[in-house]
Amino acid sequence: DAGITQSPRHKVTETGTPVTLRCHQTENHRYMYWYRQDPGHGLRLIHYSYGVKDTDKGEVSDGYSVSRSKTEDFLLTLESATSSQTSVYFCAISESGENYGYTFGSGTRLTVV
Amino acid sequence: RKEVEQDPGPFNVPEGATVAFNCTYSNSASQSFFWYRQDCRKEPKLLMSVYSSGNEDGRFTAQLNRASQYISLLIRDSKLSDSATYLCVVKANQAGTALIFGKGTTLSVSS
Repeated sequence: DAGITQSPRHKVTETGTPVTLRCHQTENHRYMYWYRQDPGHGLRLIHYSYGVKDTDKGEVSDGYSVSRSKTEDFLLTLESATSSQTSVYFCAISESGENYGYTFGSGTRLTVV
Repeated sequence: RKEVEQDPGPFNVPEGATVAFNCTYSNSASQSFFWYRQDCRKEPKLLMSVYSSGNEDGRFTAQLNRASQYISLLIRDSKLSDSATYLCVVKANQAGTALIFGKGTTLSVSS
């Protein structure tokens, strides 16, 4: 499998606290993505990155920020967690932004109480 | 209209059956097409890309109809291990666009 890891795997946090999820890759892929997956909605794009310090918003970016200071790391931050952000978060990497599929990390299951 | 629409199922079939999933997409600029498989509480994994001429990978056959904006996946001789959710995925051929996922179709194969 591709070298992509997410941490933590599970987290429970309180409403109003900041939370940072980490995605780390060893494939030197240019593109990295954060998705959330919820019942009834499928996978929805939060933010993505097309290079170091180059990021852009996805479909559901409100309440989230990202940073990519190194090729291998893509961080997702919930500025002030809300219960609506309880979800499973998947990071994905892609060799090219065009015709290649993505490889996903194992996911982070986040619960905001 | 949702960008990618799939029948959610579930499809319940016996081992050995042939089952077909359909998917429609709304963005005519979509250029890349995929089927992903997702097992319960696991990450999605690429099953196969879908090419204009149709393509086959063992028991799996994917078809694309650009005029109708329609994608299909056919599974022959279903196995218990095929039980999963199948995600239809499209991507527009524009720099910076990401994959758009359907909500998935659930397949349950029983003995």
